[in-house]
Amino acid sequence: DTEVTQTPKHLVMGMTNKKSLKCEQHMGHRAMYWYKQKAKKPPELMFVYSYEKLSINESVPSRFSPECPNSSLLNLHLHALQPEDSALYLCASSPGVGQGPTYEQYFGPGTRLTVT
Amino acid sequence: KQEVTQIPAALSVPEGENLVLNCSFTDSAIYNLQWFRQDPGKGLTSLLLIQSSQREQTSGRLNASLDKSSGRSTLYIAASQPGDSATYLCAVRKGNTPLVFGKGTRLSVIA
Repeated sequence: DTEVTQTPKHLVMGMTNKKSLKCEQHMGHRAMYWYKQKAKKPPELMFVYSYEKLSINESVPSRFSPECPNSSLLNLHLHALQPEDSALYLCASSPGVGQGPTYEQYFGPGTRLTVT
Repeated sequence: KQEVTQIPAALSVPEGENLVLNCSFTDSAIYNLQWFRQDPGKGLTSLLLIQSSQREQTSGRLNASLDKSSGRSTLYIAASQPGDSATYLCAVRKGNTPLVFGKGTRLSVIA
C-alpha cells in the first residue's frame, strides 16, 4: 500500500475561521511533508517532520500551524488565513530524510483550499 | 543553491508520437531524481525514481535516463496516448535537503 490520504478534498473558509487539514499514511514512513501549490506552479515546501519532530519550517507564517500526533498522522491547523493562501495543499511521506538514496516520496491527492 | 529547469514548458503532440521531456539541474551531487505526473487539481503521482548510481529506469512506456555528470535527465514516453496528457515534474534530492522541483512540462496529446 503506497497511499497517502488527505481530508477534506475541498475546503472553503472565511478569514476568521479555524480549520484543520489531515494527512495519513500507513507505510511506516518516518518523514512527512506539507507543500503548498498555486496554479501552474511547482509545489513549495512548507514543513518537514522527521520521526514526529519538526525538522524544517520554510519560514511559513504562523497562521499555519503543523502538528504530528503520531508517526502516521500529520495535521495542518489554519487560522486567520488570507485570500492569497488559497491553493492546493499537498501532503507527502517518505521512509526518511536521511542519507538513503532510495527514499522515494509519495504524495496525497491534496486539499483544495479557498479562503473567502 | 540547486536549480532545476524543465524544457519545454509546454508540448502538444498527436497521439502515437514518441516524445522526450528534459530536466536539467545545476548541482550534480544528487542522491536521486524523481519524475512525477500531475493531473489538473490533483496530487503528484511518482512515475520513476532514479538513484544517483543508475543510468536509467523503465516502467511500461516510460523510460527515464540520468546523466549526473552533465546534470541532465530525460523522460521518454513511447507511443503517446491522450491519457498521458498531464503536467510532468522532475525533482532532485541531495542529502538531507528536501526535493527541489522543476516548474514542469505541460503535455497535451491530441487524439
